[in-house]
Amino acid sequence: NAGVTQTPKFRILKIGQSMTLQCAQDMNHNYMYWYRQDPGMGLKLIYYSVGAGITDKGEVPNGYNVSRSTTEDFPLRLELAAPSQTSVYFCASTPRLSSYEQYFGPGTRLTVT
Amino acid sequence: DQQVKQNSPSLSVQEGRISILNCDYTNSMFDYFLWYKKYPAEGPTFLISISSIKDKNEDGRFTVFLNKSAKHLSLHIVPSQPGDSAVYFCAASVRDSNYQLIWGAGTKLIIKP
Repeated sequence: NAGVTQTPKFRILKIGQSMTLQCAQDMNHNYMYWYRQDPGMGLKLIYYSVGAGITDKGEVPNGYNVSRSTTEDFPLRLELAAPSQTSVYFCASTPRLSSYEQYFGPGTRLTVT
Repeated sequence: DQQVKQNSPSLSVQEGRISILNCDYTNSMFDYFLWYKKYPAEGPTFLISISSIKDKNEDGRFTVFLNKSAKHLSLHIVPSQPGDSAVYFCAASVRDSNYQLIWGAGTKLIIKP
């Protein structure tokens, strides 16, 4: 059981470039989440999904897009990267309807210059 | 507007003594509170939680106390061990929010030998 995996671990983007952050979980969890963490701050929810084909915006969705075509995968797309998107990105999943506990991947550190 | 606040960015405690981490919240609709622990270059891991209908939850060396009238919760670690050195995040959720979590900024706990 690999849990929640994220790729890449690190990435440097130039302003205006695009990229996809990958997230996969092998625990058959319905709920998946994308967060960003800026230095000295808590995690902020970008997007979440309650199941394949269903996604919704979180607190800070601007500049990002998501899709959920399978239970396992929840990629996060950055279009036209900006320096304000420099952050550490975490993907998480939660197993069942009554659980608040979220399981996290190791994160992707993204720098936009 | 920070709904979940951890006012101490860092805390230093002698090994073997009690560590007390604090968290304040403003949203009276929160019905579940969680503590997560985070090591550098890793994702957060779930530590302990408490429902708003309780005032205490204990798990081994970790106890969480909830004071609803003061909108305050605390995490007690006793005795503190070197492996407890990490950043601790407080998070809260509102019922029927698809388990979205609102996070505090974290407190870095340093256990001195």
